Amino acid sequence: EAGVAQSPRYKIIEKRQSVAFWCNPISGHATLYWYQQILGQGPKLLIQFQNNGVVDDSQLPKDRFSAERLKGVDSTLKIQPAKLEDSAVYLCASSTPGTSGVPGELFFGEGSRLTVL
Amino acid sequence: AQTVTQSQPEMSVQEAETVTLSCTYDTSENNYYLFWYKQPPSRQMILVIRQEAYKQQNATENRFSVNFQKAAKSFSLKISDSQLGDTAMYFCAFMKHDLLAGNQFYFGTGTSLTVIP
Repeated sequence: EAGVAQSPRYKIIEKRQSVAFWCNPISGHATLYWYQQILGQGPKLLIQFQNNGVVDDSQLPKDRFSAERLKGVDSTLKIQPAKLEDSAVYLCASSTPGTSGVPGELFFGEGSRLTVL
Repeated sequence: AQTVTQSQPEMSVQEAETVTLSCTYDTSENNYYLFWYKQPPSRQMILVIRQEAYKQQNATENRFSVNFQKAAKSFSLKISDSQLGDTAMYFCAFMKHDLLAGNQFYFGTGTSLTVIP
């Protein structure tokens, strides 16, 4: 079974530039998550999709961040314009709803490391 | 709202010894799941162990076991016979399932574990 795919793995940009990250979840996983992980901290949820609908984007800085999941499969996270404090690893994850007695598990991609200079 | 607290930012253990990582959480939910995830340096986050809240028996996966105290809202991870490959960040996570939103995960801030040869 293929895992969660993310690209690019690394990106260096200057502040005020834009960047986009792509994620392809595990086939059949209805729920897709974008997390921001700043060095030394835990993952912070930016946005959660259920199929192609947004179910939680309360912590997404909407003035600069946007995300979409067209057709309920792969997803793109965009930052425009980037700020220094956006330097972080952007993790994509997906999960199944689980079955009776077996909870859904969260599967992570390798992450996209963003450095804003 | 759910919160997950890991009060030990850093820990170290001698190889072959046992170490316990602490986690507490706060929730008003009755049905939920708890997880420990491991993130090795510059590598992908992977699941270590999970616990269903409705189960009294503590989960065990080889050298990894948990001490789940539902009333105290405590969920500690014990690693026995520590190995160098256990060096990683460990994240405690709480999950609840919502019929519309899917699985919703909440992460602690992590504990950095170093296994000393």
